[in-house]
Amino acid sequence: GQSLEQPSEVTAVEGAIVQINCTYQTSGFYGLSWYQQHDGGAPTFLSYNALDGLEETGRFSSFLSRSDSYGYLLLQELQMKDSASYFCAVREGGTGRRALTFGSGTRLQVQP
Amino acid sequence: GAVVSQHPSRVICKSGTSVKIECRSLDFQATTMFWYRQFPKKSLMLMATSNEGSKATYEQGVEKDKFLINHASLTLSTLTVTSAHPEDSSFYICSARDRVGGYTFGSGTRLTVV
Repeated sequence: GQSLEQPSEVTAVEGAIVQINCTYQTSGFYGLSWYQQHDGGAPTFLSYNALDGLEETGRFSSFLSRSDSYGYLLLQELQMKDSASYFCAVREGGTGRRALTFGSGTRLQVQP
Repeated sequence: GAVVSQHPSRVICKSGTSVKIECRSLDFQATTMFWYRQFPKKSLMLMATSNEGSKATYEQGVEKDKFLINHASLTLSTLTVTSAHPEDSSFYICSARDRVGGYTFGSGTRLTVV
């Protein structure tokens, strides 16, 4: 089975930088993904790490350390619209017909 | 990019009735569709995996007779909540893997059972 742990809530101000951590335990590992979800909406893909290191996509970056079973999402130059829930997710091993398992989610509140 | 169209977006039904939720892959063939349920302020929990032309695989604790899944074609999967009760009120989301291996999500269905 899989389990992923994230902080439940994070608060930051506009323009700041925030880091959301994720630790995971999996029976097989095929990369760590990050998704953003606004209230009432569907998850939208942000970033994916298959290998150790940092992936940068605009204001968002994601880091992975497979030896530590740990990753984080870094959000820079925070904007009010970044207020949302953020989920880390892993895919079960095996064939391509495997669903994502999501972490518990981190609710980010950006304040003026 | 790949699109999964999910309908309805919101539905209110009476206890004891059944509700059908549809997910269609618009520009790719989805041989597998994943169905999730999400309670307020909680994570997405996988309910079942539907496979085109074969029986769905249900996660532990999910009643297959209550949540009927049909995947009759390569572009359509349906979830029917039978004999709905207020505790079935939730946000239901489907997801499929697209041509390049990413996961595409439907827009979700907010089910309220009164």
